[in-house]
Amino acid sequence: QQQVKQSPQSLIVQKGGISIINCAYENTAFDYFPWYQQFPGKGPALLIAIRPDVSEKKEGRFTISFNKSAKQFSLHIMDSQPGDSATYFCAARSYSGAGSYQLTFGKGTKLSVIP
Amino acid sequence: NAGVTQTPKFQVLKTGQSMTLQCAQDMNHNSMYWYRQDPGMGLRLIYYSASEGTTDKGEVPNGYNVSRLNKREFSLRLESAAPSQTSVYFCASSVEGMTIQYFGAGTRLSVL
Repeated sequence: QQQVKQSPQSLIVQKGGISIINCAYENTAFDYFPWYQQFPGKGPALLIAIRPDVSEKKEGRFTISFNKSAKQFSLHIMDSQPGDSATYFCAARSYSGAGSYQLTFGKGTKLSVIP
Repeated sequence: NAGVTQTPKFQVLKTGQSMTLQCAQDMNHNSMYWYRQDPGMGLRLIYYSASEGTTDKGEVPNGYNVSRLNKREFSLRLESAAPSQTSVYFCASSVEGMTIQYFGAGTRLSVL
């Protein structure tokens, strides 16, 4: 059972446009929501993250919006650039006991920014 | 500072063969993880190790075994490889509390 649903699967945006990727979760025990960026042939890397007591977090052109009551969060990429073309994964952290945590990932969104 | 290093980068196996994927981190992290990535499926946790000496199953552990050799190294073993195990495997590590997971570059495995 998928616990973090991500959409869309793929996204094409023109240079300078806004890219929006959405995620929804079911488990209210999730306590931290990171986004990872992955370029072809590379491992994922943390892009930006948010805690559920905050409704928005901005870092440069990247913004996470978080709606706790709706159990949804989204990534906005402003002024999208061809260099932003990558696969983006949302994730949610849960505590698995004995001081350890796990991340549950969405299925990913392949973003293509065209000049 | 190498971060998380995975070997090998590529591997082709025949059905039934065994192999061990190696992972080492030099960041003094307590926790280490193995994921598999399949097209359209995201990253799925196979096994994790919260600290040296402990290992636990993740979402998709069947067909795999792991060993936390020491604080730096966490290996993943396929005892009898199957075509369904064709995937890209990622190792990751994190400090306690896991606000950031650091990933290796992956091992691309094909089982024929």
